[in-house]
Formats: sequence, C-alpha cells, structure tokens
Amino acid sequence: DAKTTQPTSMDCAEGRAANLPCNHSTISGNEYVYWYRQIHSQGPQYIIHGLKNNETNEMASLIITEDRKSSTLILPHATLRDTAVYYCIVSGLLNAGKSTFGDGTTLTVKP
Amino acid sequence: DAGVIQSPRHEVTEMGQEVTLRCKPISGHDYLFWYRQTMMRGLELLIYFNNNVPIDDSGMPEDRFSAKMPNASFSTLKIQPSEPRDSAVYFCASSFGGAAGYTFGSGTRLTVV
Repeated sequence: DAKTTQPTSMDCAEGRAANLPCNHSTISGNEYVYWYRQIHSQGPQYIIHGLKNNETNEMASLIITEDRKSSTLILPHATLRDTAVYYCIVSGLLNAGKSTFGDGTTLTVKP
Repeated sequence: DAGVIQSPRHEVTEMGQEVTLRCKPISGHDYLFWYRQTMMRGLELLIYFNNNVPIDDSGMPEDRFSAKMPNASFSTLKIQPSEPRDSAVYFCASSFGGAAGYTFGSGTRLTVV
C-alpha cells in the first residue's frame, strides 16, 4: 500500500468547515483513497472513499487532486461530536484488506 | 442491521490462559478483518478472510494467535497461551467487496494480568 502523511493535529471552530489534508504521493493508479475516523473508545467509522473524482456523501466531501498525490476531507459544518482521530488510507482492489492505519490526524472541534 | 457484533466487550484473564474473541460480521459481507490497537503500535491488521478463507495472516504476531471462520456469520480469534503484552483492544471489521469501506465492531478490550 502507498504510504500516507497527515498532520498530527488540527483544531476547528464549531460550525466552520474542517479541512483535513492527506498526502499520498506514491499512490498507484488502481488504489483508492479511504477516510475513517475513530471517536475515543469506539471502533473506527468509515466516512468516504474515492478513486479520482471528488466524492460527497451525507457525512463529508472528498477532494482528490488531479495528480492524485493528495486529498482533502471536508466536514462542511463541524460539530463537537466530530472531534476524533481521522485516518487517511490508500488501498487497491488487488490488496484489499491490507489497509494500513497510520497515526491519523486528531481533530479537535472547539465551541 | 445490528452491525458487526463482537463479544465479549471486556476480558480480563491471567497470563497463560486461553482467550477466545468472537465476531459476527454483517450479513452478506464477504470480507472479515481482525485488527489490534495499542497506544504504542496503533491499529494493526492481524488477519483477513474472504469468503471464509484466510487470505493474509502475515500480521499475526506469533503462533500463539490463531483465527478461524467456520462460516460466513462467525469468526474467532484465539490466543493460547495469553501474555501481558497481548493486552489491547481487538477489533473485527467486515465489508462487501474488496473496495468497499469497512464496518468495524465496538471492539474487545483484553487485559492479561
């Protein structure tokens, strides 16, 4: 799997958009970008994933650069309950199950 | 759907004892994963199954660990004998297809004393 690099921590004001960056410069053409989050003491929660196009669901938006070497997860209106560790992962169909969770970004949403 | 169900939620055992962790994946999901999380090492993939067949167990730390999936609705992770360094939160996850996002269970917090 391609390695990912994320900032260790970020803060965001409640109600504002939270933009979480991820670098994956060694991503292969058939590898997807996945985002998960883990709220303290809970299991990781799947958020969104994409291959090359931008994606949006009820939780978040995923913006992938044209060269696919980086991406941004956007939480449009952050709430206190969005405080969590956010993991960016790259994985391909041929190595499904090999998703490696790094240290992630600790997002703290402040009132 | 009740999601991925793990049992027990907490397990405290003495060193040398056998420990069995259980997982019920989401019905219809064909991939099942076992992860371990510690402060020092983060989330580590131990083993995963596709259609009940173990595909990659390279993350299993040593022979004391074993995992089985006798059918599509049940999997176990066994540690025999257990050691204090096995203390961690063990997560089970499942997915439909190799490219789908994983659904994780609530985890089993194992403490070996």
